[in-house]
Order: sequence, then C-alpha cells, then structure tokens
Amino acid sequence: GAGVSQSPSNKVTEKGKDVELRCDPISGHTALYWYRQSLGQGLEFLIYFQGNSAPDKSGLPSDRFSAERTGGSVSTLTIQRTQQEDSAVYLCASSFDRSTEAFFGQGTRLTVV
Amino acid sequence: AQSVTQLGSHVSVSEGALVLLRCNYSSSVPPYLFWYVQYPNQGLQLLLKYTTGATLVKGINGFEAEFKKSETSFHLTKPSAHMSDAAEYFCAVRRGVGAQKLVFGQGTRLTINP
Repeated sequence: GAGVSQSPSNKVTEKGKDVELRCDPISGHTALYWYRQSLGQGLEFLIYFQGNSAPDKSGLPSDRFSAERTGGSVSTLTIQRTQQEDSAVYLCASSFDRSTEAFFGQGTRLTVV
Repeated sequence: AQSVTQLGSHVSVSEGALVLLRCNYSSSVPPYLFWYVQYPNQGLQLLLKYTTGATLVKGINGFEAEFKKSETSFHLTKPSAHMSDAAEYFCAVRRGVGAQKLVFGQGTRLTINP
C-alpha cells in the first residue's frame, strides 16, 4: 500500500481481555517497529523486526506483550490480560532497511476500561 | 547508550515569528538525526533528516535544521511561523549505519498565537 496501515484505529477493551493490533507496512520495507505513545511517557520503543525475526525486543514491557511478523510483511502485536496502564496509542513504523527513515502509521488508540 | 533531549515541552510563538525547537543528543558514534511532526490524532510525519554531508538540512513546510557536532545539537527552525505549524514535534536519533531503533525525545508542543 501507499503507507503504513494499522488496524483497528481505536480499540476499547475490558481489563483482563486479550487484544491484537495489526500493522501492514509499506510494501518492500524490511524493517518494522512498534512504539507506544502515552501521556507523560513520550514515544517508547517496543520491538524491532528485520524480516520475520526480532533482533531487538528490549522495549516490550512485560511477558504479556508479544509480537510476530509473517511473510516479511504484516505484524501483529498481542497484549494478553490487558491492564489499565496498557492504555496508549500504539504506533507502527516501517523502513526500507534499518538505516533509512521510518514511516509511521496512524496508530491504534487502545483504551482499557 | 544514546539519548535525545528536547528543551521545552511547550513552545509558544506568534504567527510570523521565528520558530526554534531545541534538540540535543548523546551518541558515541556519528548519529543519524531526524525531526518528526505529529498533528492531533495522526501518526508521525518526517520533517527532515541528517545522515551525512551538508550539516544544514532543509525539510518540508519551510523547516530546516543544522547538525552541530561540537554542540551535539540538531535544532529545528522556521523563519516565519504559520498557524498550520501548530503540532507536536519530535527529535529522534539513530546511531549511524547499521543501527536499529530510533530513540525519540519527549516532544515539544508548538502553539502559534494569532
């Protein structure tokens, strides 16, 4: 596609439920990133994919968070047993390779009630 | 480790005035530097970047930034602010070729007064 696409754009979930957030990167981009943006925390790096592997997952806040990427394209970020502190905007970005600029999607706004 | 500091979480200028948003970085190797802009309820859009070569880089919407190695700075400027420039601006650093993640500053919210 023309840009990075994320779905859903908004998600409201009950505490304790699992959620899946999807990212469709720009076609041909090998690098994919997930960031979290919350009030007072700025942009926090979560995980980086190069192809289907994740050489850097140092930003995942707990073992409730996981991500995968298949076919070198679509990525899914899964949050299990959601907590209120997981409420944030989750941003996905992709780049042609790891040394070029990243292009961001519109984000998924997650609200845990 | 690399980090980015943006001085001033909020900056307010009058329409037509100079915009100056400050960014200082720390990096043990020559960095790649970026400025992104975020409009309300939108993702981040790249304004400009510095990788190598000319230290004064020009971006979209009349913005430019100068890489000053001696000052470890990459401040963003625009000679004349427009109401449409109101947004949040993020400075980011990537630690050169082969580096992976972008590290972002905390952001600066720019307000334009009529």
